[in-house]
Amino acid sequence: RKEVEQDPGPFNVPEGATVAFNCTYSNSASQSFFWYRQDCRKEPKLLMSVYSSGNEDGRFTAQLNRASQYISLLIRDSKLSDSATYLCVVNIHKGNTGNQFYFGTGTSLTVIP
Amino acid sequence: DTAVSQTPKYLVTQMGNDKSIKCEQNLGHDTMYWYKQDSKKFLKIMFSYNNKELIINETVPNRFSPKSPDKAHLNLHINSLELGDSAVYFCASSPGLGYEQYFGPGTRLTVT
Repeated sequence: RKEVEQDPGPFNVPEGATVAFNCTYSNSASQSFFWYRQDCRKEPKLLMSVYSSGNEDGRFTAQLNRASQYISLLIRDSKLSDSATYLCVVNIHKGNTGNQFYFGTGTSLTVIP
Repeated sequence: DTAVSQTPKYLVTQMGNDKSIKCEQNLGHDTMYWYKQDSKKFLKIMFSYNNKELIINETVPNRFSPKSPDKAHLNLHINSLELGDSAVYFCASSPGLGYEQYFGPGTRLTVT
């Protein structure tokens, strides 16, 4: 079973729409959580960390549900520039290997004019 | 100022050759990483290097070896390149294990 699973999409939404992505993780020892975005042929860039109480950064809201082992990302008022692949990242502490990041396979978003 | 830089950006080479990719970070971070992103866009960690301790992903062939001359540099050396090594290799750094990571621009390796 994969450590992190995401719906690959694609999600095609009109400008101004609200879109939400979910990501599930399998290891309850997961300690920290992040959302990254990756544009075509570019490196992943940190979008936001995900805190237990949930957090917001402008049009972006991230939530963590430890009981159900998922994190979510909500994008309000979508812009054309939001088109990218969104990667869910989970940091897991494993006794033999220490902390390791596990990336989801990404969810593709295209915002349509 | 580039926070995490990699050279070269593109690398085309033949099977059986040995090549190196260099990575440097000027963020003062303690931890550096190498990732491989394959054609299906799946990003997989290869190595992490923290305080001179190397953590290796057990699935990485021993043809791959990281070398860290100092805290700001983590180079990747690959021996006897194979077709399946073709991918984009990303270097990253973080303030410590478990913290957010910052990625370099990637090195696109093509083995012919």
